[in-house]
Order: sequence, then structure tokens, then C-alpha cells
Amino acid sequence: EVQLVESGGGLVKPGSSLKLSCVASGFTFSSYGMHWIRQAPKKGLEWIALIYYDSSNKYYADSVKGRFTISRDNSKNTLYLEMNSLRSEDTAMYYCAKWTDTYYFDYWGQGVMVTVSS
Amino acid sequence: DIQMTQSPSFLSASVGERVTLSCRASQNINKYLDWYQQKLGEAPKLLIYNTNNLHTGIPSRFSGSGSGTDYTLTISSLQPEDVATYFCLQRNSWYTFGAGTKLELK
Repeated sequence: EVQLVESGGGLVKPGSSLKLSCVASGFTFSSYGMHWIRQAPKKGLEWIALIYYDSSNKYYADSVKGRFTISRDNSKNTLYLEMNSLRSEDTAMYYCAKWTDTYYFDYWGQGVMVTVSS
Repeated sequence: DIQMTQSPSFLSASVGERVTLSCRASQNINKYLDWYQQKLGEAPKLLIYNTNNLHTGIPSRFSGSGSGTDYTLTISSLQPEDVATYFCLQRNSWYTFGAGTKLELK
């Protein structure tokens, strides 16, 4: 059974940093690209970052480019999202999602909440 | 950027009823359209990918159709466990989600 479990969220002040983790199980993590997607309270979902299976390519939404960094450690079956210079508009539930060979997202984690507030 | 407009935002229907949810793209998305179901407090679950392909383990009462800019998710006979929010995702040009349709029982 595929499982994705996010952690590392919390309440932080504007301008601070936070690093999210997503631990994967039930599939060969090192063979698949992975995404981060977020959903602000009472708002729609927003894709924010993609990393290829071998970390050879990384892509970001304009809203987080230069502030967020996606990475992975295939030896630990773990995906990361390092978030710097956090803003109130980054307040959201953050989800990791697995990317299939044919480019859709087939499994998501349950999400981790990040709140940026003074 | 491609915009996705989902309708209706809210839908109330009876058990056994046929339900149709819609997603309209601001430009042709070449059938790169997926549907997800999200229940309160749970991870989003893939229902349909590439417009009309049923994901593994999804009941056959769910189906998808469409082309160009207009896409539809149909539940042929609504069940109580289908109460959820449904959202679409276009993958033709990066990724854009619809705002969702909240489905409740009448």
C-alpha cells in the first residue's frame, strides 16, 4: 500500500524558515518524481514544486521560486521542502504527491499545516 | 496560465441520483484532465486520469468525459460514501486545479 506521510509543519513568524518532510512507503521511491502542492484556508489547491526521481530537474511555481527548495534523499525514501522567507500568504496545508510515469499524481499524503503569523 | 472553472461550487443530491460535475479550461487542455475526491481530513484520492481513465480500485459508478476545454465527472448512482469535495486538475501546461465542488446528500 502506498503511503506518504508529511511532517514538520507548525506556527512560525513571517520571515522565518521551516523544512517539511514526506516519508514514502509502499513503492520504489527512487523511481518516481514527486510534487509539493498546497491549499490555503478556504482557497483552492496550488501546485508549488516538482522534483524528478533522480533530482536531475526541479521546477517551482513563481509564487515560491527563490524562497522554497525541493529536495529528496532516495536512501531515506524522503522528500523535503525547505521554505525560507515565509510570508502570511504561505499559510496552507502542504501535501506531497507521487508522480506517475505518465505524468499524473496518483497518491497524496494527508498533508501538514503551516501557519505563518506574527 | 490556464484557468480552471468548476461548477457548481456546491451540489446537494439524493442517494441513487445521477450527478454531473463540470470543469472548464480557459484553453484547450488536450484531455490532460484528472479528477480527485477529498473527504474531510483525508488525503485527496485520484478518481479519473486523462479525462476518462478510472484509477485502480475506483468504483465503476464514477466516469469521466470531455475534450478541448470542457470536461465532466459523472457519478451514475450517488452513494452516501460519495459525500466529499471533488476537484479537477489540468496537466496540459503545468498544473492548475479547479476550486472544487462540494457534494452533499439531500
